[in-house]
Amino acid sequence: DTAVSQTPKYLVTQMGNDKSIKCEQNLGHDTMYWYKQDSKKFLKIMFSYNNKELIINETVPNRFSPKSPDKAHLNLHINSLELGDSAVYFCASWGSLSGNTIYFGEGSWLTVV
Amino acid sequence: GEDVEQSLFLSVREGDSSVINCTYTDSSSTYLYWYKQEPGAGLQLLTYIFSNMDMKQDQRLTVLLNKKDKHLSLRIADTQTGDSAIYFCAESMHDYKLSFGAGTTVTVRA
Repeated sequence: DTAVSQTPKYLVTQMGNDKSIKCEQNLGHDTMYWYKQDSKKFLKIMFSYNNKELIINETVPNRFSPKSPDKAHLNLHINSLELGDSAVYFCASWGSLSGNTIYFGEGSWLTVV
Repeated sequence: GEDVEQSLFLSVREGDSSVINCTYTDSSSTYLYWYKQEPGAGLQLLTYIFSNMDMKQDQRLTVLLNKKDKHLSLRIADTQTGDSAIYFCAESMHDYKLSFGAGTTVTVRA
């Protein structure tokens, strides 16, 4: 069983579209994150949720809206996609039972054309 | 990120040891991590060290932490072709938000 799973793994879409990336963790963790990896491989946190509450919201355009229907899910919705949104988006989770380990999903490769 | 710095490239001969270096700025870091990313793949946690430790060894991996100089290193013994990847150093504070370095691309040559 995959601990942190993201869908879709690959997504190619046109500028201006709205798309969502879904994330689910089966670890019973309370905290989930979204990270963005740009074309230069640089990783930066976007959001963090703890028990469905937003606790970290870095400087991200408001076209990006995370949604956490329950603590096992953290979805990322992106409106009006732009070329610069092309990146790899990683979901991650952490819980006190996992000690100091933050588990990452396999990534979602988004290409905006 | 600007808080965590790494050299960008490292080339090493198969069988030799690799040493990847990282510096960080936040003295309140609680844990420091090393992640490995192979081409087209996700992030694999290799190891981590608590900020009050100096060294941690795990099979071919040795992590050294110099808290005074805010310097972290990862040594890979007997480097193999499968070790070719990007290696990320990351620090976390109490909220477990990770700040990553830019990654060191390690190329293992025969």
